[in-house]
Amino acid sequence: AQTVTQSQPEMSVQEAETVTLSCTYDTSESDYYLFWYKQPPSRQMILVIRQEAYKQQNATENRFSVNFQKAAKSFSLKISDSQLGDAAMYFCAYGTSYGNKLVFGAGTILRVKS
Amino acid sequence: NAGVTQTPKFRVLKTGQSMTLLCAQDMNHEYMYWYRQDPGMGLRLIHYSVGEGTTAKGEVPDGYNVSRLKKQNFLLGLESAAPSQTSVYFCASRWDTRYEQFFGPGTRLTVL
Repeated sequence: AQTVTQSQPEMSVQEAETVTLSCTYDTSESDYYLFWYKQPPSRQMILVIRQEAYKQQNATENRFSVNFQKAAKSFSLKISDSQLGDAAMYFCAYGTSYGNKLVFGAGTILRVKS
Repeated sequence: NAGVTQTPKFRVLKTGQSMTLLCAQDMNHEYMYWYRQDPGMGLRLIHYSVGEGTTAKGEVPDGYNVSRLKKQNFLLGLESAAPSQTSVYFCASRWDTRYEQFFGPGTRLTVL
């Protein structure tokens, strides 16, 4: 069974600095998708970024980028120029093109200090 | 577009009571999902549906039932609530050709 591991229960970053959240996953599949979701105190789950496993180029969305290492089964999220509004729980998730569900990690709480 | 909506947002039940959570989406998505979120455990899939009239079990289906009579609605039922079902429940949906899921705002359920 596929598993997703987020080894950092909590992280802190100073406003305007850069932080990296870690995620590793276990799968025997070659075709899959990876996602980072943000959950602020409002509880709403917001899609931050997605990565297709067949793409070698790392995905980027404004201040958010990923470091996708397929061989190492690693999918970290880098947040540049951190802002107070980035404070949230971040979830890493894995899914396949034929599967019907996403597998989520336990989440990382990100605190942003002013 | 309202996206994915959930009713109610909060609910308190006594052990043994029943209730139904309603999820609605206006994006014409084929796939719909029910998750529960508990501290330290991420989101776990309860049941899902790949189209109108279909349902399937997820990772933690015991104590829950679902129905998808209309494409836009996905109902989650608790027939006899237990304190172990105290959780935050999320509904999600997606298109059949894209794999990211869109989430509703969640329902916080407390069973006393």
